[in-house]
Amino acid sequence: KNQVEQSPQSLIILEGKNCTLQCNYTVSPFSNLRWYKQDTGRGPVSLTIMTFSENTKSNGRYTATLDADTKQSSLHITASQLSDSASYICVVIRMDSSYKLIFGSGTRLLVRP
Amino acid sequence: EADIYQTPRYLVIGTGKKITLECSQTMGHDKMYWYQQDPGMELHLIHYSYGVNSTEKGDLSSESTVSRIRTEHFPLTLESARPSHTSQYLCASSDSTGSHYNEQFFGPGTRLTVL
Repeated sequence: KNQVEQSPQSLIILEGKNCTLQCNYTVSPFSNLRWYKQDTGRGPVSLTIMTFSENTKSNGRYTATLDADTKQSSLHITASQLSDSASYICVVIRMDSSYKLIFGSGTRLLVRP
Repeated sequence: EADIYQTPRYLVIGTGKKITLECSQTMGHDKMYWYQQDPGMELHLIHYSYGVNSTEKGDLSSESTVSRIRTEHFPLTLESARPSHTSQYLCASSDSTGSHYNEQFFGPGTRLTVL
């Protein structure tokens, strides 16, 4: 069982609508959590980074939340655009000497006109 | 915009051939990584390096090898490619210092197909 679970696996929304992607993790000890956007055939690009003490962080139309007690995070996309079509990957970093990245399998978002 | 480059972007090759996937970064990062990603699946770390002449195997067993002779260069080699090696290979680098400790910047990836 993956230590980082994302839902939904895929999502289709109309342009201009909002959506929320979920991430549940069991990684411990926890250092920080990141959301990446990965366009098809490209490498992931960082959207947000949140430490244990942060519970919300915004990057333009992207807003990430973190509840370290329940080990849940969400990524909210406001007023979606066609260019938001991509995979969104939740990554949790373990707090040990390795600072290993634990990747979720991603949510594939398709924004339709 | 991260300055990390991978070549080739796409490679189709026959079984048994030797291949080298190139990765270079111009950010002076000390740490570099190779990930393997199958379609719709999560990234798996196959190799990493914490500096020149340092290489370690990652979580996912791989028949590939890597070398780190220069800080900016981290090539991955497959001595004898097989269809099971078909996948996307992503290179990343990170800096040990600064406010974004260990934030990894990814290259565009190499999509390898072995026939």
